[in-house]
Amino acid sequence: ETGVTQTPRHLVMGMTNKKSLKCEQHLGHNAMYWYKQSAKKPLELMFVYSLEERVENNSVPSRFSPECPNSSHLFLHLHTLQPEDSALYLCASSQGPSSYNEQFFGPGTRLTVL
Amino acid sequence: QKEVEQNSGPLSVPEGAIASLNCTYSDRVSQSFFWYRQYSGKSPELIMSIYSNGDKEDGRFTAQLNKASQYVSLLIRDSQPSDSATYLCAVKGVGSGYALNFGKGTSLLVTP
Repeated sequence: ETGVTQTPRHLVMGMTNKKSLKCEQHLGHNAMYWYKQSAKKPLELMFVYSLEERVENNSVPSRFSPECPNSSHLFLHLHTLQPEDSALYLCASSQGPSSYNEQFFGPGTRLTVL
Repeated sequence: QKEVEQNSGPLSVPEGAIASLNCTYSDRVSQSFFWYRQYSGKSPELIMSIYSNGDKEDGRFTAQLNKASQYVSLLIRDSQPSDSATYLCAVKGVGSGYALNFGKGTSLLVTP
């Protein structure tokens, strides 16, 4: 396992539920990311935080709401999701935005929306 | 649209052979290139990064970069059944901030 942890590992929720995904990095990095991975599609970048400031938001629906209270923790708050939001949600971290920006992934949360 | 293309496979090679995985990219000013390995049901694991034209070797893995041809490859020597996974190519351009553009991945199957 890498120095990035995610909880829960699996989540099943109804369309009216509210839940949160948590990510923690122990690598001393200052950038954190949320990605979505759906079957047969490339990894999709959702949000990027650098030093607790959101620096990228790739047209993600408002039913996904990120929160970064400090440089080690990242949350993704979920509400009124749709079945098509079922996917693997991956958190990653990196040192920063330079070209040598190696990103390291957590184990992911497998989300199923009923 | 900045694209990263990979053959989805599956690429099947016998144990002990060399597996060759290829990736092309559309953004000419891309600077950094990464290979990730993803086992079924798991998250991507970074195995190689390359920034300059030529070859970079790490154990059984060799990454090759040709910026003029917009082509990056990963060679796996002495392939083992444990190498069976999906290999993701990721590319970062100049001034693209934090974003990596990922390909859809190539599925590799190493048969005993």
